[in-house]
Amino acid sequence: EAAVTQSPRNKVAVTGGKVTLSCNQTNNHNNMYWYRQDTGHGLRLIHYSYGAGSTEKGDIPDGYKASRPSQENFSLILELATPSQTSVYFCASGDAGYAEQFFGPGTRLTVL
Amino acid sequence: GEQVEQRPPHLSVREGDSAFITCTYTDPNSYYFFWYKQEPGASLQLLMKVFSSTEINEGQGFTVLLNKKDKRLSLNLTAAHPGDSAAYFCAVRTGGYKVVFGSGTRLLVSP
Repeated sequence: EAAVTQSPRNKVAVTGGKVTLSCNQTNNHNNMYWYRQDTGHGLRLIHYSYGAGSTEKGDIPDGYKASRPSQENFSLILELATPSQTSVYFCASGDAGYAEQFFGPGTRLTVL
Repeated sequence: GEQVEQRPPHLSVREGDSAFITCTYTDPNSYYFFWYKQEPGASLQLLMKVFSSTEINEGQGFTVLLNKKDKRLSLNLTAAHPGDSAAYFCAVRTGGYKVVFGSGTRLLVSP
């Protein structure tokens, strides 16, 4: 069954540290997305990708980088983590056009 | 860019009552619309997708209405039960690859 997986599922980081969140999809979708979810804001798009080697800025990219080394993998990188980046992060994959997105289980990140 | 407003942010109903959630959007070129359900501590699962100009889609225990003239998308859970307690999010696809989400409705269905 097609799936989106994320690792780690929970992460505690220190301010100023580097954090890498990983996402893997077996849907063979071209597009992948990183969102963060905070109470009262729904899901906000951080970065997305059209395919291997591409990354695009979403609505709130500041403080985040992304990497798409292959069709299956899409990483979100926090070079210098800050407490304001404490959130739940969701990865998703999807095709272009009329298709919905398929979401991973989420990663809860706490930056102390 | 596209703005999506979802109301209400919180909704509490009794078992057997209806629960009505609505989203309004701003971009008249938006062309595909989704409702997702998120149970506590879990990820988002697709409830339904719609794209016709005015469409009523019925699922298991719910109805989705899209009115493109009014730029309004709604979800009506008929005869809600405690298992429907969750967060519900509308999502709107505009041009390109982006999808804009509403801020969510936290629904509580009490016995």
